Amino acid sequence: AQKVTQAQTEISVVEKEDVTLDCVYETRDTTYYLFWYKQPPSGELVFLIRRNSFDEQNEISGRYSWNFQKSTSSFNFTITASQVVDSAVYFCALSEAGTTDSWGKLQFGAGTQVVVTP
Amino acid sequence: NAGVMQNPRHLVRRRGQEARLRCSPVKGHSHVYWYRQLPEEGLKFMVYLQKENIIDESGMPKERFSAEFPKEGPSILRIQQVVRGDSAAYFCASSRDKSYGYTFGSGTRLTVV
Repeated sequence: AQKVTQAQTEISVVEKEDVTLDCVYETRDTTYYLFWYKQPPSGELVFLIRRNSFDEQNEISGRYSWNFQKSTSSFNFTITASQVVDSAVYFCALSEAGTTDSWGKLQFGAGTQVVVTP
Repeated sequence: NAGVMQNPRHLVRRRGQEARLRCSPVKGHSHVYWYRQLPEEGLKFMVYLQKENIIDESGMPKERFSAEFPKEGPSILRIQQVVRGDSAAYFCASSRDKSYGYTFGSGTRLTVV
């Protein structure tokens, strides 16, 4: 079963528009971590944020912000005033406590391609 | 800058050859994870290793694939008798402990011709 769902396959915006990427997760664990990664065209994976299940505070980092809502099992990501350099695939991921051995293993969503045009 | 180092960045192998992918974790990190990104697919967990031990290999194909993380030296992901379907990007990540957070390498792009 898909644990992390990123329903948006691709989002196209014009520079300076805001863009919100949806992420819905599924877990029975009470302790878990959620992540967002960026994969630019060059292919590397760039860590953006890690949030644990006990911290529902929203977070802002520059033009990036994250909205974590346990009630809807969502961890959405917004890029404000998008720029061409934001063009990338963005992945949401879940790490469940589960067994001792599974802790740390990431389950990724399918990714959302963001295309920002000038 | 001692991030996770993966080499080679690009690897081309003919069908039937062996592919060896190397991953040097961040200094002091004893947990290593391998992931595979097949074309048009997301990232899938393959294996989790600690020094000299395989902890979780639930994502590894049953045949031809193996991984090790020796006491000294890098972690190695080995693919024997490669087939075209093995063409993918292989990412390694390391962490200090399981809950601390990940650092990913830049990946190895394997192309099987």
